[in-house]
Amino acid sequence: EVQLVQSGAEVKKPGESLKISCKGSGYSFTNYWIGWVRQMPGKGLEWMGIIYPGDSDTRYSPSFQGQVTISADKSISTAYLQWSSLKASDTAMYYCARRVGGYSFDYWGQGTLVTVSS
Amino acid sequence: QTVVTQEPSFSVSPGGTVTLTCGLSSGSVSTSYYPTWYQQTPGQAPRTLMYSTNTRSSGVPDRFSGSILGNKAALTITGAQADDESDYYCGLHMGSGISVFGGGTKLTVL
Repeated sequence: EVQLVQSGAEVKKPGESLKISCKGSGYSFTNYWIGWVRQMPGKGLEWMGIIYPGDSDTRYSPSFQGQVTISADKSISTAYLQWSSLKASDTAMYYCARRVGGYSFDYWGQGTLVTVSS
Repeated sequence: QTVVTQEPSFSVSPGGTVTLTCGLSSGSVSTSYYPTWYQQTPGQAPRTLMYSTNTRSSGVPDRFSGSILGNKAALTITGAQADDESDYYCGLHMGSGISVFGGGTKLTVL
């Protein structure tokens, strides 16, 4: 069974750093792109970027380029989304998802809620 | 920057048919954009309904169908049910492996 399990909720202060994770299982982790999606409170989905764990090829939405870093450790089948300096506007639910043919996501993680508040 | 457009809200009667659309602020949507449709209910992760314009994901009932209508991608629900009341998002592939979501359509079944 394909599963993407994300790390737990985080509460951080502005300016702090953060790295959240997404662990894949039940499939060959290195052979599928993993994407990250933001959903701010009460708002829609925003496509952030994707990574191919096999070779760490990474693509970012222009809206998120330079704002976050996507990485992966294929040895432990885990993808990451990180911030070097959080802002209150980073408060959101973040989902990881596996991308398949047709540029669509098929399996989704359960989401990680990130709250940034002073 | 091109924006993906969706109706903010739509209403359908139980048993009725509704067509949600997904367009571009500039240009036309074609199959080359690999339109994908996602359904999300409050508090839940999104669920993939349709990909590559008109291919249903596993387990999605055949009352959901996808197409290109004119210059937009479309998701049609035939015989709407109460549990179809959700937010629906389309995603379009913009090239170089990058996709964009539309703003979403809140569907009410009443």
